[in-house]
Amino acid sequence: AQSVTQLDSHVSVSEGTPVLLRCNYSSSYSPSLFWYVQHPNKGLQLLLKYTSAATLVKGINGFEAEFKKSETSFHLTKPSAHMSDAAEYFCVVSGYSNYQLIWGAGTKLIIKP
Amino acid sequence: GAGVSQSPSNKVTEKGKDVELRCDPISGHTALYWYRQSLGQGLEFLIYFQGNSAPDKSGLPSDRFSAERTGGSVSTLTIQRTQQEDSAVYLCASSLGGDNSYNEQFFGPGTRLTVL
Repeated sequence: AQSVTQLDSHVSVSEGTPVLLRCNYSSSYSPSLFWYVQHPNKGLQLLLKYTSAATLVKGINGFEAEFKKSETSFHLTKPSAHMSDAAEYFCVVSGYSNYQLIWGAGTKLIIKP
Repeated sequence: GAGVSQSPSNKVTEKGKDVELRCDPISGHTALYWYRQSLGQGLEFLIYFQGNSAPDKSGLPSDRFSAERTGGSVSTLTIQRTQQEDSAVYLCASSLGGDNSYNEQFFGPGTRLTVL
């Protein structure tokens, strides 16, 4: 069965410092992986997706993620945090059926001035 | 163009009452999804529509929950005899097609349901 674990419920970083949001997945086949962001009082937005092409995926707003099959990880990074990055981030893996998405519990990113 | 819209944005109801939540997908999107998001948790899949058909209803928590989609567009999620544990944000998403996970799902702003 497919599952996804976000290792931190909260991450706090200072503005201008790197961001690392950790995600591990479990899948019995080659999955598609996604990161979504949810800003307060706004809808979920796709940040980036991995679909078995390049293992380093670049997304919007300077975020990127690297698919590491040996570690079953898909961590999200950004070199320099901005105040506008404060939001909740969800790591998502495709389910057994192509349309089905399995969601992590979310990581709340807090940016300190 | 317009995104996915949902109504109402907030709904407060009394235990035992029925509620209807509405979703208007992006025009041309054949796939539509309902999710539930409880406080501090990720999204829980409820049901998936391809056109007007629901090939997967496996996520509906009980027979009090039902959903329909008409004209390949608007969808309604109905919760009968609401319970306090039904309190959550109900999210709707649509995509170009449901048979390919590469198709990005676009989300509405959600309906926050509170059952007193």
